[in-house]
Amino acid sequence: ETGVTQSPTHLIKTRGQQVTLRCSSQSGHNTVSWYQQALGQGPQFIFQYYREEENGRGNFPPRFSGLQFPNYSSELNVNALELDDSALYLCASSGGTSLYEQYFGPGTRLTVT
Amino acid sequence: LAKTTQPISMDSYEGQEVNITCSHNNIATNDYITWYQQFPSQGPRFIIQGYKTKVTNEVASLFIPADRKSSTLSLPRVSLSDTAVYYCLVGGYLKAAGNKLTFGGGTRVLVKP
Repeated sequence: ETGVTQSPTHLIKTRGQQVTLRCSSQSGHNTVSWYQQALGQGPQFIFQYYREEENGRGNFPPRFSGLQFPNYSSELNVNALELDDSALYLCASSGGTSLYEQYFGPGTRLTVT
Repeated sequence: LAKTTQPISMDSYEGQEVNITCSHNNIATNDYITWYQQFPSQGPRFIIQGYKTKVTNEVASLFIPADRKSSTLSLPRVSLSDTAVYYCLVGGYLKAAGNKLTFGGGTRVLVKP
């Protein structure tokens, strides 16, 4: 059984650019959630995808968008990057025997300059 | 979104029991309470989850009073490797509930020798 993987590990972008982050969910999981974690703070919920449909969204602007694919992997897209978007982006998958237990990936560290 | 409040930090010594309380006054009927552990530069790791009363697993216990407005994570006989940030998460995965997933600010636990 493979765990949750994310790519890339680190990324540096310039303000105004667009970025795509990728997540492969754990085998057997059909739900993926994305979180943003600024330095020294707790993870903030961005949105969740369940069977390819958005299934809840936190207080993030529309320039944060996502996709879930038939194999339940997922993408997070951020347009018009701002300096405050610099953070650790975490992906978590859930499903299988426990819908409420999330398994997190190692995260993607995004730096916007 | 269900807001949670935790102590910012706690110090303990090896072999002692650590109890961390999370307040969640506006928890919804469909919400579960989940606790995670996070080490620096890693994704959070699931510790325990509950809905009401008491839950125990091999690493921790979770106490939830009848009104469910708070919960207490209990870590028995901590070791130095338990030094981490602990997060309280309140939310549900039911589409009808709107999928509100909220992390608290986290409690930084330092275990001393």
